[in-house]
Amino acid sequence: DGGITQSPKYLFRKEGQNVTLSCEQNLNHDAMYWYRQDPGQGLRLIYYSQIVNDFQKGDIAEGYSVSREKKESFPLTVTSAQKNPTAFYLCASSRTDRETDTQYFGPGTRLTVL
Amino acid sequence: GENVEQHPSTLSVQEGDSAVIKCTYSDSASNYFPWYKQELGKRPQLIIDIRSNVGEKKDQRIAVTLNKTAKHFSLHITETQPEDSAVYFCAASADNDMRFGAGTRLTVKP
Repeated sequence: DGGITQSPKYLFRKEGQNVTLSCEQNLNHDAMYWYRQDPGQGLRLIYYSQIVNDFQKGDIAEGYSVSREKKESFPLTVTSAQKNPTAFYLCASSRTDRETDTQYFGPGTRLTVL
Repeated sequence: GENVEQHPSTLSVQEGDSAVIKCTYSDSASNYFPWYKQELGKRPQLIIDIRSNVGEKKDQRIAVTLNKTAKHFSLHITETQPEDSAVYFCAASADNDMRFGAGTRLTVKP
């Protein structure tokens, strides 16, 4: 999991602003994921991508957007349409072989709306 | 879709005792079951995993058991230490579609 980086570590957003969270991996993984974690709760899937130029909505995609122009990068934009964006955001990646789908996580970005 | 339930939500044990965390899943197609440990403010770290063709797997003080018929799997930590204190998440995955349990906050009292 040392091959996955997220930036920034902390991010503050004013209401009405869009912000973009970065996720990069050098593990040569095909699949990448974005999760949201709220205090005392589990991980909820926002978006995932199994191949470049393709991505699918997860369970809580509303108010978020992603792109996958490069294999190494999967940025997440939190739009002003996301009503309660304050949370800890985790990016993960994995291979897509049926026998090796362990997900490895980045260090996370803590987003706070001011 | 897959639904993973995890119990208990909090668990407190004395140092040296064992800790058991249980999860159930709903999708019979799930074939991969990892466990993650997350310390406060840190990323989840994989600690052990098991695939559906195996019933039990052990790694030092940590073991995982899987009952595919009943659709449940458990994490066992023996000889607990204060550094085992963290939040533990189970997950179930079918074809890279992974769903997580809500987590168990384990506290090991010295």
